[in-house]
Order: sequence, then C-alpha cells, then structure tokens
Amino acid sequence: GENVEQHPSTLSVQEGDSAVIKCTYSDSASNYFPWYKQELGKRPQLIIDIRSNVGEKKDQRIAVTLNKTAKHFSLHITETQPEDSAVYFCAADGGSQGNLIFGKGTKLSVKP
Amino acid sequence: NAGVMQNPRHLVRRRGQEARLRCSPMKGHSHVYWYRQLPEEGLKFMVYLQKENIIDESGMPKERFSAEFPKEGPSILRIQQVVRGDSAAYFCASSPTALRRRSGNTIYFGEGSWLTVV
Repeated sequence: GENVEQHPSTLSVQEGDSAVIKCTYSDSASNYFPWYKQELGKRPQLIIDIRSNVGEKKDQRIAVTLNKTAKHFSLHITETQPEDSAVYFCAADGGSQGNLIFGKGTKLSVKP
Repeated sequence: NAGVMQNPRHLVRRRGQEARLRCSPMKGHSHVYWYRQLPEEGLKFMVYLQKENIIDESGMPKERFSAEFPKEGPSILRIQQVVRGDSAAYFCASSPTALRRRSGNTIYFGEGSWLTVV
C-alpha cells in the first residue's frame, strides 16, 4: 500500500522567511496530493492541492511542486507570518480504494 | 451548505464502556472516511465507507471497532469496551465521489470528536 514520508517533523523560521516541507510517496498510481493545515484543537483544513497532470501550483504565498518521476512533492510558504504557525500534513490518494494517506506532519513555528 | 457535522464533539467514557461517534457528510456527499489522531501524532486512516457499503477497512483494529453508513442517517463509528489507548481525536471526512474517479474532487473534514477514556 501507499506510504507517505514527510520531513522535517519540526521547522522554526523567522517571520518573513520562507518555509519548505517535503514529502515522498511510494504508490506510482497516486495522482492527487493535497496539503492540510491543522491548528491546535481544530480540524485539518485544505490549503492547496495538486494533481499529477500539473507540476506546480501557486496560491498567493503558498505553492506546491510535484515531481512524479521522483515521487516527491513539496509545500513552499513565502513571507511567513506568525499565523502560519500550525501543523502541516501532506497526503496522497494511495489507499487501495483511493482514500488519502497522510504524512506524519510538520510543526511549523514562525517567530515574530 | 453545512459542512461535515460530527457529534459529540467531546465524549468521556469509563474503561469498558461503549463509544458511538456520529458523522453527517456534506450535502451531496456519499463517501465517508474516518481517521484517528492520537495526541501529537498524524492522521491515521481507519475506514472508508459509501452508503451501505464498507469500501476499505484496512486501518480498523480487528476487535472492538466497527463502522457503518446506513442508507438513511449518519455514519457511525462504534468502539466497544473502550480502553485508555482509545483516547484520541476521531475525524470524519467526506467527498462527493471516490477520489480517483473525478478530477477536482477532494475530501473535507469535520471538526472532530475528542474521546477521553478514564
């Protein structure tokens, strides 16, 4: 079955710097890769997603890149702000029936 | 359009009791997913259901846990004879169709049910 690895597990940056989170997946049949942001005690919220027919997607300060050959995808946050502090999860539709399999998460801290 | 609704939001059970968690998917969604999140950990897939069918239960513990999504009413995750290790947040999510079926499809999470076993 699908296995999603996510790095780093924690990331601390200064406000205004960029943050990059990387994920790899194992199932070559996966073609949908969403990213979720989860604040403490809250539900995961979709922030951006990408499908296998696209190499890069951008939404304001957030961008995601996908390399299908290498089976990895990354989240890029530019001009970070304290409110970006949260746990970020990557996922791939790699379950046997296409359900989402998640990475273990990255705790991002943005210091003012 | 209401989102994914879960109840109860918080549930306290004594060891050995039963816990029932309910999930109403978004309007028009017929696919439901249950995930468990232990404190300070990631989202672990448990079960994927469509109306009246279990599609994938590969993440469900073999004993004490069961799930259903009847033709009418919410999906229910049932945990029998709870133990302290069952304490976690249980998130339900829904999608209109299977993820691999349709481009532009995604899953949306409910607010979660926090189970505490004392």
